[in-house]
Amino acid sequence: DIQMTQSPSSLSASVGDRVTITCRAGQSIGRYLNWYQQKPGKAPKLLIYTVSNLKSGVPSRFSGSGSGTDFTLTISSLQPEDSATYFCQQSYTTLSFGPGTKIEIK
Amino acid sequence: EVQLVQSGGGLVQPGGSLRLSCAASGFTFSGYEMNWVRQTPGKGLEWVSYISGSGSTIYYTDSVKGRFTISRDNAKNSLYLQMNSLRAEDTAVYFCARDWNLDGYKWLFDYWGQGALVSVSS
Repeated sequence: DIQMTQSPSSLSASVGDRVTITCRAGQSIGRYLNWYQQKPGKAPKLLIYTVSNLKSGVPSRFSGSGSGTDFTLTISSLQPEDSATYFCQQSYTTLSFGPGTKIEIK
Repeated sequence: EVQLVQSGGGLVQPGGSLRLSCAASGFTFSGYEMNWVRQTPGKGLEWVSYISGSGSTIYYTDSVKGRFTISRDNAKNSLYLQMNSLRAEDTAVYFCARDWNLDGYKWLFDYWGQGALVSVSS
């Protein structure tokens, strides 16, 4: 199994801030890296697939980058509705998820 | 509109059984691979099982092999997870999830059910 780690585990930021989350894979996964957003009591929602492709309907303030083992999710201007937990997920082999990063709005 | 509506779940004693269902609508169900994913506060999101569109290919995570059975009824647009010999560590919210299979990429989940809580406790 490929282990996924994320940092930080949580963060608090203000509306309008630029926020970056890091995800690291235990081995190279090429570009097989996806990001999900989950709000309390809801199912995860696919935001970004294969590192940098935005799912239809996802605001352009979200972006992703990276390759190999190191990846980032960036929110260019944090909005109140972005308060959620974000998970990375590798789809290189049988999938696995990162532990999540909880974003709170100050 | 694509929808996955789950039913089942609940409280069951260790060693007991439970069946989860996931009713699909808004897309050609037989054309999509489906999965079950579970979530706990301690272990986070964990993939449980996969089934191909025809039902001919099935995978399980090691911890549920021999105890859980995934199945589908394409005529009823429904996915199932039969869970037997349940253990305390199976306690979780279980989600069904559609595999987008975009350009051949697997394990990319574009639609999820609302989740069902399974609690295993005496």
